Amino acid sequence: DAGITQSPRHKVTETGTPVTLRCHQTENHRYMYWYRQDPGHGLRLIHYSYGVKDTDKGEVSDGYSVSRSKTEDFLLTLESATSSQTSVYFCAISESLAGEVDTQYFGPGTRLTVL
Amino acid sequence: QQPVQSPQAVILREGEDAVINCSSSKALYSVHWYRQKHGEAPVFLMILLKGGEQKGHDKISASFNEKKQQSSLYLTASQLSYSGTYFCGTLPSTSGTYKYIFGTGTRLKVLA
Repeated sequence: DAGITQSPRHKVTETGTPVTLRCHQTENHRYMYWYRQDPGHGLRLIHYSYGVKDTDKGEVSDGYSVSRSKTEDFLLTLESATSSQTSVYFCAISESLAGEVDTQYFGPGTRLTVL
Repeated sequence: QQPVQSPQAVILREGEDAVINCSSSKALYSVHWYRQKHGEAPVFLMILLKGGEQKGHDKISASFNEKKQQSSLYLTASQLSYSGTYFCGTLPSTSGTYKYIFGTGTRLKVLA
């Protein structure tokens, strides 16, 4: 199994509070992703990173920011949590060697509830 | 726009076959297939690249029709362990990035 951990695994917070989720990898993979998973929508990309300090927005990035100061850590911040951000959040990693597309390996997920 | 998967849900008896389809509105460079058990993370099944051949392992195989921007996952002689939700993850040809777009999923349940 790929070495990916997410913390916390469960969190309950109140509307308007900032929340930070952490993804940590031990694989030294270049690419890291944050997805949210909601019923009927599958997995939707929030942000992704293609290197240290290099990030790009996904399809549902409003209300979220990310940072990657080290290869192994990718942080997702909800600046002011809203109930619509209640979801399960998955981190994923992948590598691309010599231009070949590699698979994504997913972390165990974080269940976030915003009251 | 997310790829459309069909069917949305399917129930099988052990030993029966199933086909899951993934259709995109964009030209695709690659398609990945994943299976997710309830409460767990998605797990990689296989990848198909533009210009590549049909792939498979054990009793699960997949095809990729670049012209139709479609991929299909074939489950042969299904087992109880095949139950879960299947997702296709697509990488558009024009993306220029590794931003994957996932389909909405197909729930598959295999009964004894």
